[in-house]
Amino acid sequence: DAKTTQPTSMDCAEGRAANLPCNHSTISGNEYVYWYRQIHSQGPQYIIHGLKNNETNEMASLIITEDRKSSTLILPHATLRDTAVYYCIVRVADYGGSQGNLIFGKGTKLSVKP
Amino acid sequence: DTAVSQTPKYLVTQMGNDKSIKCEQNLGHDTMYWYKQDSKKFLKIMFSYNNKELIINETVPNRFSPKSPDKAHLNLHINSLELGDSAVYFCASSQDPGTGFNEQFFGPGTRLTVL
Repeated sequence: DAKTTQPTSMDCAEGRAANLPCNHSTISGNEYVYWYRQIHSQGPQYIIHGLKNNETNEMASLIITEDRKSSTLILPHATLRDTAVYYCIVRVADYGGSQGNLIFGKGTKLSVKP
Repeated sequence: DTAVSQTPKYLVTQMGNDKSIKCEQNLGHDTMYWYKQDSKKFLKIMFSYNNKELIINETVPNRFSPKSPDKAHLNLHINSLELGDSAVYFCASSQDPGTGFNEQFFGPGTRLTVL
């Protein structure tokens, strides 16, 4: 089962920042937080990941609380093409096998509206 | 220059048939995966495989079997298809997950419909 909790759905106005929360209160010290998204009828796409520090790349920013029990994915200027289901996943680092698999939950359906 | 490709994109077949879905990756990755996404949109890992190890999700029926002719391919064979097998199947690949960072690249999916 997924170890994360996310809101079922969110709306965001085009051009505004989209802030997607995720709770992972049982996260272990050796687990990363990953974010993927799935645009309708496509395969999931990696967005960003982090362990303790905040991270930023060309797609998004990831803010992880100091106690690591929650995080927020930020899309700074959402566009219509960002409409998708966003998955927050915790995954053990430094292990292969089944411990390293991605376990997808229900995700958050983000709708970006004009 | 597609990274992960799957064929066919759509597959419609009768109950009881045997079918295969092909997956190829040109990323030079060590590990490949198969996922199943059912009608409720839950995405579940079925297999992960590299040249060392096949990890099978214990909930997957043994009618499903992955076959890897080489590192770039992981095909999914399904015997005696059942109605409940109808779903979208995604192939993915990544570098050896033992490195700690596991960005997985997904294929476009194969929509399987069993009648």
